[in-house]
Amino acid sequence: DGGITQSPKYLFRKEGQNVTLSCEQNLNHDAMYWYRQDPGQGLRLIYYSQIVNDFQKGDIAEGYSVSREKKESFPLTVTSAQKNPTAFYLCASSKGLAVSYNEQFFGPGTRLTVL
Amino acid sequence: AQSVTQLDSHVSVSEGTPVLLRCNYSSSYSPSLFWYVQHPNKGLQLLLKYTSAATLVKGINGFEAEFKKSETSFHLTKPSAHMSDAAEYFCVVSDRVNDMRFGAGTRLTVKP
Repeated sequence: DGGITQSPKYLFRKEGQNVTLSCEQNLNHDAMYWYRQDPGQGLRLIYYSQIVNDFQKGDIAEGYSVSREKKESFPLTVTSAQKNPTAFYLCASSKGLAVSYNEQFFGPGTRLTVL
Repeated sequence: AQSVTQLDSHVSVSEGTPVLLRCNYSSSYSPSLFWYVQHPNKGLQLLLKYTSAATLVKGINGFEAEFKKSETSFHLTKPSAHMSDAAEYFCVVSDRVNDMRFGAGTRLTVKP
């Protein structure tokens, strides 16, 4: 089955620790995205990548880092510099970067809780 | 600058009655507009999208939306609600490459 997988589904982190969220897609999509979702708010863009070895900051990139070494994979690291990391994190991909014309497909999400 | 406002944070309907989820947008250009649905602890699924073609857009699961430029609205409707429609719905506007703005969401509750 083609799709996007995110792991783990639930993640707990102690304050001061870095943690990496996994996102893998087998849709052969060029573009990948990371969003953060907080209760009562829409999704906010953290980072996006149009192509392997290239990525750009979104609206709320501070305290986060990404890599895009393979087309299929776009891991997100939540660093200790992120002051309020508890949230639901969604990964998405699309065939191209023009979101108006390319549907974004979303993974099931990872819920991160800082203890 | 573009933005989107979902006018109701929570809508409750009875099964079999119509659904109306309201969305207003602001955009400097001709926007593309989307509605996504999210079931609890799941990712988002595209319901429908408007990209400057027909103003009445039909989506999956019997949903449709009408683009009204004069009212800057893109309301989502369904003639008859099912229990399985209970979820969070997001209106999204995009008027530039890779710049999607999500509304805060509307939680739809369907009563038996």
